[in-house]
Amino acid sequence: GDSVTQMEGPVTLSEEAFLTINCTYTATGYPSLFWYVQYPGEGLQLLLKATKADDKGSNKGFEATYRKETTSFHLEKGSVQVSDSAVYFCALSVTYGQNFVFGPGTRLSVLP
Amino acid sequence: NAGVMQNPRHLVRRRGQEARLRCSPMKGHSHVYWYRQLPEEGLKFMVYLQKENIIDESGMPKERFSAEFPKEGPSILRIQQVVRGDSAAYFCASSPAGTDNSPLHFGNGTRLTVT
Repeated sequence: GDSVTQMEGPVTLSEEAFLTINCTYTATGYPSLFWYVQYPGEGLQLLLKATKADDKGSNKGFEATYRKETTSFHLEKGSVQVSDSAVYFCALSVTYGQNFVFGPGTRLSVLP
Repeated sequence: NAGVMQNPRHLVRRRGQEARLRCSPMKGHSHVYWYRQLPEEGLKFMVYLQKENIIDESGMPKERFSAEFPKEGPSILRIQQVVRGDSAAYFCASSPAGTDNSPLHFGNGTRLTVT
């Protein structure tokens, strides 16, 4: 079945450090890919998305590129802030299906 | 432009009682999903509904759990005879009808505590 794998957390960085959170997927269809962020005590918010190969999603300084050849959608940010501390979820949906598949989440802590 | 509304935000029940969780999707959305999140864990899919229809309930426990999304009113996730293991955050998400590649929009969740 369809699945999403993310790097294990927690990830702890200093402010202004470079961030990469790896995400790889398996899907029998041609999925759309998403990154969601969850701040403490809140629901998930869409951070960015990409719907076809080589698309780059970007928002708030975060970027991820849909790589079909490596089945990956790694999240990157050039300079993290304390306010980026949250849990990040990679997810996919396949157009013929009716369900989203989420990765287990990666907790990011950014220290001042 | 209200987002997905869930209530209550916090719910405390004793073992054996019933829990009812409500979700009003975003305006214009007719697809609703329910997820469960245990502390420090990811999201587990429970059920996907459209108006008056359950489309996929493969993630729903076979006993004590039920969900509905009536023609009028919010979607309801109902847990009968709650046990301590039901303590979790329950999130509802919605998406528009008939559109591919649409992201899910999440509510802020209901945190259920079973004592």
